[in-house]
Amino acid sequence: DSGVTQTPKHLITATGQRVTLRCSPRSGDLSVYWYQQSLDQGLQFLIQYYNGEERAKGNILERFSAQQFPDLHSELNLSSLELGDSALYFCASSVDEGINQPQHFGDGTRLSIL
Amino acid sequence: DQQVKQNSPSLSVQEGRISILNCDYTNSMFDYFLWYKKYPAEGPTFLISISSIKDKNEDGRFTVFLNKSAKHLSLHIVPSQPGDSAVYFCAASDGAAGNKLTFGGGTRVLVKP
Repeated sequence: DSGVTQTPKHLITATGQRVTLRCSPRSGDLSVYWYQQSLDQGLQFLIQYYNGEERAKGNILERFSAQQFPDLHSELNLSSLELGDSALYFCASSVDEGINQPQHFGDGTRLSIL
Repeated sequence: DQQVKQNSPSLSVQEGRISILNCDYTNSMFDYFLWYKKYPAEGPTFLISISSIKDKNEDGRFTVFLNKSAKHLSLHIVPSQPGDSAVYFCAASDGAAGNKLTFGGGTRVLVKP
């Protein structure tokens, strides 16, 4: 158990809809990261937050947004969903934003778009 | 453009023998490297890491070697155990623009009893 909690484990929805994925980092971790794992792209970095502030962005679509709340949990919002958004979405956390720190991953949310 | 590559999609090894997993990278700005293990229906689990100022790091049965000139790292697992059967990902970070990780495509390891 990594200590990172992601809910829900599975989401099934339709094209055009909007969903929210939730992540609670390990106790004491201030930095949260979101990754997408799809069959053809592997694990891809989406976005990082540190103590409530956005720190880095990867190839995140404009239809996607995220935030980190004062209690440090984070939410990833996906809107106008398309079939290609079907993927595993992982959240990870680390102690702070410094380099040379391992990130610890949750078990992911599997999103299926019908 | 795949900056981190694991060229072997799968590896089969006998229990008790050594497993060697390889990873190549192209971005010379990468300065921190990690290996993760992933079981089905679980998230990646951190195994071991190495910073670019070192060429070797050891933790129990796991040793990571880094060859900066060749832009190559490897993970050695000795001895291999059936519970090591999983997908292994190497990842790298350049320390800039946050601490984002760039992952390889993974190597599926099967340890036969």
